[in-house]
Amino acid sequence: DTEVTQTPKHLVMGMTNKKSLKCEQHMGHRAMYWYKQKAKKPPELMFVYSYEKLSINESVPSRFSPECPNSSLLNLHLHALQPEDSALYLCASSQEYREGLEPQHFGDGTRLSIL
Amino acid sequence: GIQVEQSPPDLILQEGANSTLRCNFSDSVNNLQWFHQNPWGQLINLFYIPSGTKQNGRLSATTVATERYSLLYISSSQTTDSGVYFCAVLRYGYNKLIFGAGTRLAVHP
Repeated sequence: DTEVTQTPKHLVMGMTNKKSLKCEQHMGHRAMYWYKQKAKKPPELMFVYSYEKLSINESVPSRFSPECPNSSLLNLHLHALQPEDSALYLCASSQEYREGLEPQHFGDGTRLSIL
Repeated sequence: GIQVEQSPPDLILQEGANSTLRCNFSDSVNNLQWFHQNPWGQLINLFYIPSGTKQNGRLSATTVATERYSLLYISSSQTTDSGVYFCAVLRYGYNKLIFGAGTRLAVHP
């Protein structure tokens, strides 16, 4: 599933830093997702964007701020993170968000470490 | 909510062996996907298979929706098949993929 591109691949940041994760897809998909995955656990949904509008926020703390500037791009802005936020962050996209009926395609993820 | 159970939780194979992974789900679903997560964390979409049988090379999958299970077959396993295999389901009216806990596969040469 390399058609969803995530950058950077690795990120180390301190608890006072501000950084952003980027996700890009050029498949013409109109739904994009952020997931968080801790070690030895399955991915957990964080946010869903449909047609560039936020559709789902799974009660994610405000230190994570998503943004969808256009239909191909999804950002996740990070600020004042905690050590327990260290995880693999995965982006996914699907043709549309019809209550999740479309298959989702995942990027390679960003491995985030909080010092 | 829907429960997804995968078995076995862990599997060790010699290269060349065949295996079957199982995914049981507790309610009817409209979407079922099988993923392979390699040791580097890449989550690769193997099959979108809400029902029926599909094949892709050495891998095939069968979903029997009426009996609420899906099977993933791996034939002639290779070391590159190592990693975690996730089954994930979704039902109309719910808003997110429900993942199973995964089957951790190690293929030794």
